[in-house]
Amino acid sequence: GESVGLHLPTLSVQEGDNSIINCAYSNSASDYFIWYKQESGKGPQFIIDIRSNMDKRQGQRVTVLLNKTVKHLSLQIAATQPGDSAVYFCAENRAGNTPLVFGKGTRLSVIA
Amino acid sequence: GAVVSQHPSRVICKSGTSVKIECRSLDFQATTMFWYRQFPKKSLMLMATSNEGSKATYEQGVEKDKFLINHASLTLSTLTVTSAHPEDSSFYICSARGSAFEAFFGQGTRLTVV
Repeated sequence: GESVGLHLPTLSVQEGDNSIINCAYSNSASDYFIWYKQESGKGPQFIIDIRSNMDKRQGQRVTVLLNKTVKHLSLQIAATQPGDSAVYFCAENRAGNTPLVFGKGTRLSVIA
Repeated sequence: GAVVSQHPSRVICKSGTSVKIECRSLDFQATTMFWYRQFPKKSLMLMATSNEGSKATYEQGVEKDKFLINHASLTLSTLTVTSAHPEDSSFYICSARGSAFEAFFGQGTRLTVV
């Protein structure tokens, strides 16, 4: 069936380096995507979102890229810090006000 | 961003008892709220969708008589785990969406049934 997935389940980066977390989706009708950060024992925290009519959106130290041609979404974190260590989920909105569909998650570990 | 408050953050209950979890949207009206369950090192699994003033829609495999959902107002939804058993121990998370697409999550509730 259609799903949202992640290329890499774990990612380790040196403090100060840039991080790139990838996500593949298969539903071409999805019109909205969100990246969430989840720290241990806490609920997902909204990081950044992007609508399907855009291919790039920047926030504070984070950038989301959307490539609709290959159905690929990525989250770039600049100058990764120890506080960025968490599990990151991509989520897609498939239609209207329906539940978000979550990917499996990528654990980001920042090495000091 | 918008604030969604979930309470309690942790609860331990005895097997056979019921537990109520509250989810409140503090600064916006949530026409739709979602309840998720998360197992260790796994992604979020949607349990049900609740719309204010109407019955919740449950995902396949989720027992509606066991997981009672009430969405009595635009700012409050509750999940009651009835006759809890140890296998119901999990991390439960609510999410609220307003008029826009954005979805915001509560802090989660760690339920332990002993």
